[in-house]
Order: sequence, then structure tokens, then C-alpha cells
Amino acid sequence: AQSVTQLDSHVSVSEGTPVLLRCNYSSSYSPSLFWYVQHPNKGLQLLLKYTSAATLVKGINGFEAEFKKSETSFHLTKPSAHMSDAAEYFCVVTIKAAGNKLTFGGGTRVLVKP
Amino acid sequence: NAGVTQTPKFRILKIGQSMTLQCTQDMNHNYMYWYRQDPGMGLKLIYYSVGAGITDKGEVPNGYNVSRSTTEDFPLRLELAAPSQTSVYFCASAPGLAGYNEQFFGPGTRLTVL
Repeated sequence: AQSVTQLDSHVSVSEGTPVLLRCNYSSSYSPSLFWYVQHPNKGLQLLLKYTSAATLVKGINGFEAEFKKSETSFHLTKPSAHMSDAAEYFCVVTIKAAGNKLTFGGGTRVLVKP
Repeated sequence: NAGVTQTPKFRILKIGQSMTLQCTQDMNHNYMYWYRQDPGMGLKLIYYSVGAGITDKGEVPNGYNVSRSTTEDFPLRLELAAPSQTSVYFCASAPGLAGYNEQFFGPGTRLTVL
């Protein structure tokens, strides 16, 4: 079985300061991991994905994530938050043994203060 | 390209009524998915399809039915609506298996059952 835990349900940052969204996963097999962003009343958009290539993954809008197998983590970071980063972020895991079905974390809502 | 479109955007149903949520994609993707998102939760897979004429159950299929007669369309049918089906429904498509390809999401249908 696979599972995903997003350690913070809400994160509040000031514009221009770093953002850290934490994600831990559980999987019996080598996982593929994704971060998706959902802006209010919109569908989900892929930020980045890890599929067993480089452990540091760069995504859109300045986001990046590092896969750490020893810590079973896939934390998302951005050096400088922008107002447009206010949204909900989902960490997602999938494994081939589970038919590649996606398992979503509970989400982290990011608030950016001016 | 319109991507993934969903209709309606909003709907209120009475207990016991039925309705069909429409989903269409114009990217010629083989894989299509239906998810529901409950408040404060991640997405849960209802049904998915790997191609026209082929569908399979996801994590939470009870109370729903799907069909896939064409590559483009993947409607979700609710029979005998119940308050527990109040949720936001997302349709998604992907060119291949979820683990190695980005899923593209529609904007969602917000359903309330009273």
C-alpha cells in the first residue's frame, strides 16, 4: 500500500520569503512523486514530478523539490514567495505495483501576506 | 486546445435525483479519470478508463457509474443522489499511465445534494 502525509494543513508566509511545504510518503516500492497546485475554483496543475531520475527536481514558477529516500520525503520549496503562489498544494504518490493510480495527500493551503 | 472541460460547473440535487456529469477532452488521451474532493481532503479516485470501452473502479466507486464510448468523453452518472455525494468532482486525462505522465485536470463540478 502507499500513502502520503502532508505535514502542514496551512502555511502562512510573507511575500519575498522562502516557502517550505513538507511531504512524507510510504511505499513498498520505488515511487513516482508529484506536486500539484490548485488555485481557487480551478483544476489541478502539475508543478513538478520525480520519476527516479535526478533527486532534485525543478518545476514551474520557481518551485523545486528534493526526493530523499532515506527520509521518505519529497518537500517542496521556493526561495521567494509571490502573491500568486497563494493556493492549495497537493503531494501525490504513485507506484507501478498499484496500477499507477494516484494517492493524494490532504493538501497544504498557502497564504501569502503582502 | 480546450483541454479538459466539465459541465455543469455547479449543481444542486435533491436526495434521490439522478444526474450525469459531463467530461470531454480534446487531447486524444487514452486515460481518463474521475475524482471527488471533499472539504479539506485530497482527491479520491472514483472510476478510471484506459481507453474507449474499458472502465474500472477506483477507491470510492459506490453510487456512481461511468461509460466510455469515445476517446473524448467520459461521463459520470449519479443514481439516487445522497448527501454523502456532496463534493467537488474533477475529471482528468493523461496520454499514458498515471505514474509516468502528467494528468490534466478539468475545472471541476461543485455538487450539493440536499
